[in-house]
Amino acid sequence: AQTVTQSQPEMSVQEAETVTLSCTYDTSESDYYLFWYKQPPSRQMILVIRQEAYKQQNATENRFSVNFQKAAKSFSLKISDSQLGDAAMYFCAYRGIIQGAQKLVFGQGTRLTINP
Amino acid sequence: GAGVSQSPRYKVAKRGQDVALRCDPISGHVSLFWYQQALGQGPEFLTYFQNEAQLDKSGLPSDRFFAERPEGSVSTLKIQRTQQEDSAVYLCASSVDLLAGYPSYEQYFGPGTRLTVT
Repeated sequence: AQTVTQSQPEMSVQEAETVTLSCTYDTSESDYYLFWYKQPPSRQMILVIRQEAYKQQNATENRFSVNFQKAAKSFSLKISDSQLGDAAMYFCAYRGIIQGAQKLVFGQGTRLTINP
Repeated sequence: GAGVSQSPRYKVAKRGQDVALRCDPISGHVSLFWYQQALGQGPEFLTYFQNEAQLDKSGLPSDRFFAERPEGSVSTLKIQRTQQEDSAVYLCASSVDLLAGYPSYEQYFGPGTRLTVT
């Protein structure tokens, strides 16, 4: 079974600075998807960024980028120019690609605080 | 169009009561998922539907949990004889599966139902 581990329960960063959230995972599959989701206090889970395992290029979405190290099974999220609105719980998630394996496997989450 | 909606947003139940949680997915979304999120934890998978077919229920914690999606749209998660350990946020997510002929893997989440069992 796949597992996802986020070893940082809490992180804080000064507004406008850069922060990196860590995620490692375990799988025997060769192809899969990895995601970072953001969950503000309102509870609505929002997709931040997605990475396909077959792509060597790291995904980027505006101020958000990932460092995907397939051999190390590592998938970190970098947030540049942090903004107050970035404060939330961040979850790393894994999804297989075979039919019937569409469920997401989540990590424990990292609470990100932005200091003004 | 509208996003995934869930009702009620909050539910307080006395131990032993039955509860029913509703999920309205995004119109046209084939796949529907239920997750359970305990306080301070990541969501955990409960069950998955493709249209009206329940293809995976491996995450349901006990036979007190039952989910259905009879017409392939709205889904209901029912918990019988609630216990205190059932207290959690129950999240519903839907996915279109194919977008313009290509696989689409994004799951869109609802706001969740917070269930408190007293």
